[in-house]
Amino acid sequence: DQQVKQNSPSLSVQEGRISILNCDYTNSMFDYFLWYKKYPAEGPTFLISISSIKDKNEDGRFTVFLNKSAKHLSLHIVPSQPGDSAVYFCAASGHDYKLSFGAGTTVTVRA
Amino acid sequence: GAGVSQSPSNKVTEKGKDVELRCDPISGHTALYWYRQSLGQGLEFLIYFQGNSAPDKSGLPSDRFSAERTGGSVSTLTIQRTQQEDSAVYLCASSSRSGNYGYTFGSGTRLTVV
Repeated sequence: DQQVKQNSPSLSVQEGRISILNCDYTNSMFDYFLWYKKYPAEGPTFLISISSIKDKNEDGRFTVFLNKSAKHLSLHIVPSQPGDSAVYFCAASGHDYKLSFGAGTTVTVRA
Repeated sequence: GAGVSQSPSNKVTEKGKDVELRCDPISGHTALYWYRQSLGQGLEFLIYFQGNSAPDKSGLPSDRFSAERTGGSVSTLTIQRTQQEDSAVYLCASSSRSGNYGYTFGSGTRLTVV
C-alpha cells in the first residue's frame, strides 16, 4: 500500500527554468515531510523538509510547499542547474521513526 | 567513520544461496535502519534498530530475512535461500536519535539474484 506517491517518474527542464516536483500522500497522520536527492551509485541525501504546521519552507533555490487539505506537497527548484539532475524522493512520517518514501522522480536539467 | 559504509557495493548471487549485507553506521549513531529499493519502486522500510535491539521488524518481507546489530554499531542483513524477487538495492541509514530527522544513508548494496 503506497502511502506516498510521486506520479511523475521523470521530468526534463531547461537550465535556468523552474523544476516543479509533486508528491501526494494518503495517511492523514503524517506530519513531517522531506525531500531527498539521489545521484547514481550514491545513497539518498537530505535536501529540505517541512513540518505540517507550515505551508512553505525555503532554502536557497529550493522551496517546499505543503497543502494539508489536499494531502499534497511540491518541491520547486529555481533556477534549475545541471547539477540538479538526479532522482528526487518525497518522504513522510508521523510520530515515529519510520519514513515512507515515494517511488522517485528523475530530473534531467538540459543545458 | 565519516559516513555510513555498506559492503559489498554489488553482489550477484545464484538463486537459493544465502547472502550477508553489511552496514557500518556513523560512529555514535544509535538508530539504524534498513530500506530496500526495487526497480521502479520507492524505498521500502525493512527494519529499525535502536542500539542492538530491533523494536520494529515489520518490514522484513519473509522469514528468509533477518538482521542483527552488535555493539550498537555494525549491522548485518542476511537473506537466506535468495529468490529473484529479492533483487534490489539495499540501503542502510543511521541517525543520532530515534526519529525521522537526520537520516544519513549509505550508498547501498545492489543485489542481483540470477
